[in-house]
Amino acid sequence: QVQLQQWGTGLLKPSETLSLTCAVSGGSFVGYLWAWVRQSPGKGLEWIAEIDHSGGTNYNPSSRATVSLDMSKNQFSLTLDSVTAADSAVYYCTRRRLRPRYGPFDSWGQGTLVTVSS
Amino acid sequence: EIVMTQSPATLSLSPGETATLTCRASQSVSTYLAWYQQKPGQPPRLLIFDVSTRATGVPARFSAGGSETEFTLTINALQSEDFAIYYCQQYNNWPPVTFGQGTKVEIK
Repeated sequence: QVQLQQWGTGLLKPSETLSLTCAVSGGSFVGYLWAWVRQSPGKGLEWIAEIDHSGGTNYNPSSRATVSLDMSKNQFSLTLDSVTAADSAVYYCTRRRLRPRYGPFDSWGQGTLVTVSS
Repeated sequence: EIVMTQSPATLSLSPGETATLTCRASQSVSTYLAWYQQKPGQPPRLLIFDVSTRATGVPARFSAGGSETEFTLTINALQSEDFAIYYCQQYNNWPPVTFGQGTKVEIK
């Protein structure tokens, strides 16, 4: 049973950089896309970006995010530069199947509340 | 971007009743449609994928169907633990993967 445990800075000032990390245990990176989804009252659930085991990435066209992967540590990360109040949300790490066909998000981290305020 | 529209926004029902939730896509998503359940303070939980396949551990009172652009989630004989917010999500045409805005199933 795969488990995703996430952490990162919860309170940021405008223009600072958001940085979140998700540790994966009990499963392999191969065969999955490792993603970040955020949830805010105003915009609902919003897919941000994802990365596969070879470093291939997909981004929401509206996103300023960068995702990266460290397979030696079984972790993947999200970075978002120059945050504004609109980036305030609960951020989740999650995964979806890559093969034999793309799948839904079947495992989720516990969520990290990020608040951007001066 | 495919826009997912859920209705109704809120469904007020009593335990034991049947809930029927609808999700419409702005264009065909083929069979790449999932449903999630979310309770306060928790991440979404996958209930249904590929339109009608229940995820591991999901009770049989949850069923779903549809095709192309119109989909439904039915919850038979609502239990107390079923009162939550439900989201649909398409993963056919991306980026971006998109979610509906949610339907809240509340106790009447």
